[in-house]
Amino acid sequence: DIQMTQSPSSLSASVGDRVTITCRASQGIRSDLGWYQQRPGKAPERLIYAASSLQSGVPSRFSGSGSGTEFTLTISNLQPEDFATYYCLQHNTYPFTFGPGTKVEVK
Amino acid sequence: EVQLMESGGGLVQPGGSLSLSCEASGLSFSTYWMSWVRQAPGKGLEWVANIKQDGSEIEYVGAVKGRFTIYRDNAKKSVFLQMSSLRAEDTAVYYCATGPSSNYHDTRGHYFFGYWGRGTLVTVSS
Repeated sequence: DIQMTQSPSSLSASVGDRVTITCRASQGIRSDLGWYQQRPGKAPERLIYAASSLQSGVPSRFSGSGSGTEFTLTISNLQPEDFATYYCLQHNTYPFTFGPGTKVEVK
Repeated sequence: EVQLMESGGGLVQPGGSLSLSCEASGLSFSTYWMSWVRQAPGKGLEWVANIKQDGSEIEYVGAVKGRFTIYRDNAKKSVFLQMSSLRAEDTAVYYCATGPSSNYHDTRGHYFFGYWGRGTLVTVSS
């Protein structure tokens, strides 16, 4: 199975900050990666697909990059509604696997 | 507005069975792969199963193979997850989500998990 790791596992930030989350795959997955945001008690929502394509309706302060084994999600100008947990997902090879999540908390 | 509505969750004893349903509205259901994803209490997300538009391709995570069955009824715009031989570790919120669609104009139909339901809680306990 492809293992997905995320760093950091949590971070504290302030409104207006720039935040970067890294996701690494244990083997190459091309650009078959998505990023998902989950607020407490809610279903996940997709932010980014194909590693760098912004989902329609998602604010442009979210961006994704990378291919192969290393990927990043960047949130520029962090907003109050962005405090949540973020997951990456590889869908290159079965079984699909999610990263363990990165919790973005208020500093 | 696209809605995915899961139902069927509840409390079941270890070794028991349960069937989950997910009814879709607001999208051309038959053009989408469909999936189930689960989340144990306080834990991360785990992909469970996928089914292609016509049911011709099905995949499961190893932990549920031989115990869970995914199927769909395009006329009813619904996908189902039949779960048997349930274990305590199957306790989770189960979400249905969409996969790739042959409708290229819907960007949420590009790749996996563009739309999600609100989830239904399955608790396996004696």
